[in-house]
Amino acid sequence: DSGVTQTPKHLITATGQRVTLRCSPRSGDLSVYWYQQSLDQGLQFLIQYYNGEERAKGNILERFSAQQFPDLHSELNLSSLELGDSALYFCASSVGWRGTDTQYFGPGTRLTVL
Amino acid sequence: GNSVTQMEGPVTLSEEAFLTINCTYTATGYPSLFWYVQYPGEGLQLLLKATKADDKGSNKGFEATYRKETTSFHLEKGSVQVSDSAVYFCAEIMDSSYKLIFGSGTRLLVRP
Repeated sequence: DSGVTQTPKHLITATGQRVTLRCSPRSGDLSVYWYQQSLDQGLQFLIQYYNGEERAKGNILERFSAQQFPDLHSELNLSSLELGDSALYFCASSVGWRGTDTQYFGPGTRLTVL
Repeated sequence: GNSVTQMEGPVTLSEEAFLTINCTYTATGYPSLFWYVQYPGEGLQLLLKATKADDKGSNKGFEATYRKETTSFHLEKGSVQVSDSAVYFCAEIMDSSYKLIFGSGTRLLVRP
């Protein structure tokens, strides 16, 4: 158990809908990262937050957004869902923002868009 | 951009066989290197890491040595078990960066 929690574990929805994925980092960690794992793209970085502020963006679509709240939990919002958004979404956390700070991953949320 | 290359899977071994999964990276400088493991139906777990050249990371019988001269971080285990069946991901990150760069993953299947 990494100490990172994600809810829900599974999510099934229809095209055009909007969903929210939630992540709670390990106690004491200030950074939260979101990654997408799909069969064709592999593991791709989406976005990073550090202590409530967006720090870095990766391959995140404009239909997707995220935020980190004062209690440091984070939410990833996915809207106007398409079939291709079906994937496993991971949250990770680390104590700081440097590359040498190990990222610990949650169990993931499996999103299925029908 | 930087990339990580892993050997193609699946790798199928008998129990107690020796395991090597090759991993090479392209980043210049001195990235931190990681191996993560994903068991069926589960998330990514950190297996081991190394942050400087010649460092050896080890955990649960797995080892990997940071080889700067060959830009490699091969994963080894002397005697695999059925419970080691999983997908193994090599990853790298520069100290100045924010995102892990993952390899494509190598599926390991250990038969009794």
